[in-house]
Amino acid sequence: AQSVTQLDSQVPVFEEAPVELRCNYSSSVSVYLFWYVQYPNQGLQLLLKYLSGSTLVKGINGFEAEFNKSQTSFHLRKPSVHISDTAEYFCAVSYTGNQFYFGTGTSLTVIP
Amino acid sequence: DTGVSQDPRHKITKRGQNVTFRCDPISEHNRLYWYRQTLGQGPEFLTYFQNEAQLEKSRLLSDRFSAERPKGSFSTLEIQRTEQGDSAMYLCASSLSVRNTEAFFGQGTRLTVV
Repeated sequence: AQSVTQLDSQVPVFEEAPVELRCNYSSSVSVYLFWYVQYPNQGLQLLLKYLSGSTLVKGINGFEAEFNKSQTSFHLRKPSVHISDTAEYFCAVSYTGNQFYFGTGTSLTVIP
Repeated sequence: DTGVSQDPRHKITKRGQNVTFRCDPISEHNRLYWYRQTLGQGPEFLTYFQNEAQLEKSRLLSDRFSAERPKGSFSTLEIQRTEQGDSAMYLCASSLSVRNTEAFFGQGTRLTVV
C-alpha cells in the first residue's frame, strides 16, 4: 500500500508567487512526517519535520507545513518563492521510526 | 565536512560485473540506511543497520544485493552480476537511534549499467 501520495508531479510557479505542494499519507496512530528537498545530482536535504506538538511546522528557506490529522495531509507552503527554490521536493513518513517511506516527488519550477 | 559521504559518486559498469559502493555515516549515528532512487521516483528503502546488525531488508533487495556494516561504522553495498535494471541512484543515510529523528542523506552514487 502506498504510504505517501504526492498528488502533483510538476508545479510551475512564477517567482515571488506563493506555492503549495501537497502530500497525503496513510493514516496511523503514530506518524512522523518530513519534507526533503533534492537539487540535481544531490542527496536529500531536510526542510522540516513534524514529530508532535504544534501542527504548523516552520523549516529552512522560508518553508512551512501544516499537519492535518483529519485530512491525513502535510502540505508544504511558501509565501513567496525564489528561483533558487527550483528543485525536487519529497514528502516522507515514518510510522515506527525504523524506516522512511517517500512519495514520488514534486518537481517545483520557479519561472522568472 | 562531517556529513554522510558516499564513494564513488558515479559508476559505469558493464552488465554482469560486480560493483561495490561505500558509505561513511555521520560519526555519532548508529543507524544507517540504504535507499535506491530511479528517475522520477522517490527513494525506495533497501535496508538498514543498527550498529553492525542488519535489522530490516526490503523485498527489493534481491539475492544479488548484499550490504554490510562490519564494525558499525562505514557500510558497503555490493551488487553482483549487475543488470540494466540496477541502474539508479543509490542513497545512503544515517540517523541516531532516538525515535523519530530525521535521516541525513549522502549525495548518492549514480550507477549506470551498460
